[in-house]
Amino acid sequence: AQSVTQLGSHVSVSEGALVLLRCNYSSSVPPYLFWYVQYPNQGLQLLLKYTSAATLVKGINGFEAEFKKSETSFHLTKPSAHMSDAAEYFCAVSDPGGYNKLIFGAGTRLAVHP
Amino acid sequence: KAGVTQTPRYLIKTRGQQVTLSCSPISGHRSVSWYQQTPGQGLQFLFEYFSETQRNKGNFPGRFSGRQFSNSRSEMNVSTLELGDSALYLCASRFRLAVQETQYFGPGTRLLVL
Repeated sequence: AQSVTQLGSHVSVSEGALVLLRCNYSSSVPPYLFWYVQYPNQGLQLLLKYTSAATLVKGINGFEAEFKKSETSFHLTKPSAHMSDAAEYFCAVSDPGGYNKLIFGAGTRLAVHP
Repeated sequence: KAGVTQTPRYLIKTRGQQVTLSCSPISGHRSVSWYQQTPGQGLQFLFEYFSETQRNKGNFPGRFSGRQFSNSRSEMNVSTLELGDSALYLCASRFRLAVQETQYFGPGTRLLVL
């Protein structure tokens, strides 16, 4: 069965610093992976997705993620954090055995301080 | 295109009551999924409808039910509410059930059960 683990429920960075949010997946088949962001009192917004076309995926707002099959990882990065990046981030895998429903990690709350 | 809309945005109910939540997908999308988000359990899949048929169901009791109409709008019903049903209920739509198809989320309905 597919599963997703996000290391670190809270991450704090300074404005301008590198953002690194970790995601490891478990999948019996080639996975389709997603990163979503949730701002307070809002729904989820897609940042980027991996669908096997390229291992380095670029998303919105300067975020990118690299798929590493050998490490079963799909970490999210951004070179320089902005205050507006403060939000909760969710990694998800698509479950092909369940009509491709999304299986989410527990989420990582990102705080950005001046 | 207008995004996914959910009504109402906030609800307060008491134990034992029932509640109906509504979701209107993005125009042209035929699939609607429902997720429950709580601090303790995170994001959990409830069910998905496609062309008025339930295609997949998560591990929730029978008190949770849903339906989809011919215009793809969906409703979710929870009967005999319990305190633990307090959560943010998110609806997501996508064009088809393909594994790489992005799910677009609405802002959610926040349900508080007293």
